[in-house]
Amino acid sequence: KNQVEQSPQSLIILEGKNCTLQCNYTVSPFSNLRWYKQDTGRGPVSLTIMTFSENTKSNGRYTATLDADTKQSSLHITASQLSDSASYICVVSAGTGTASKLTFGTGTRLQVTL
Amino acid sequence: EPEVTQTPSHQVTQMGQEVILRCVPISNHLYFYWYRQILGQKVEFLVSFYNNEISEKSEIFDDQFSVERPDGSNFTLKIRSTKLEDSAMYFCATNWGGSTDTQYFGPGTRLTVL
Repeated sequence: KNQVEQSPQSLIILEGKNCTLQCNYTVSPFSNLRWYKQDTGRGPVSLTIMTFSENTKSNGRYTATLDADTKQSSLHITASQLSDSASYICVVSAGTGTASKLTFGTGTRLQVTL
Repeated sequence: EPEVTQTPSHQVTQMGQEVILRCVPISNHLYFYWYRQILGQKVEFLVSFYNNEISEKSEIFDDQFSVERPDGSNFTLKIRSTKLEDSAMYFCATNWGGSTDTQYFGPGTRLTVL
């Protein structure tokens, strides 16, 4: 069964600090992996999307990495801001990448404090 | 920046009643999706829609659910006879190039079934 596990479940950090969120997946065959940011009560917003051949991708202060061999991905947030407080969801696409084969993780809830 | 809009933001209904959730896609997008997120759980795929017909649907999307784009703008999700377990956030998402392309999510409709 395809699964996406994320850790930690929640995280509190001080403003200005860096943090790294983890995603492990057992999705086969792998097509692509995405990270989304979801503010409370809002829809997810895409941060990055990576295919099998990509090891890293950046979007501003967000940098995602992918190790397709170990089936792990990470999302690194640099110089965190209060507005980074949100849930971060790892989504893995299987097979041909069709919508029905998107497996969502439960997310990491990040809180950035003063 | 163009965005996906959804109405209503919150819908409260009695069990057994029909509800229609509406989504206005980004204007040049061709692929439309509905997802749901039960409180505290992960996002789940319901259905994808392209060229005025369903492309894919999950096992959640049973005979009680239907989708249509009646006027070429609004994309609707109808639940014929709501159940308590239908209570969730329902997200519409749209994109230009299919499920491997970045999907843009709307803000969601919170459905509460009493």
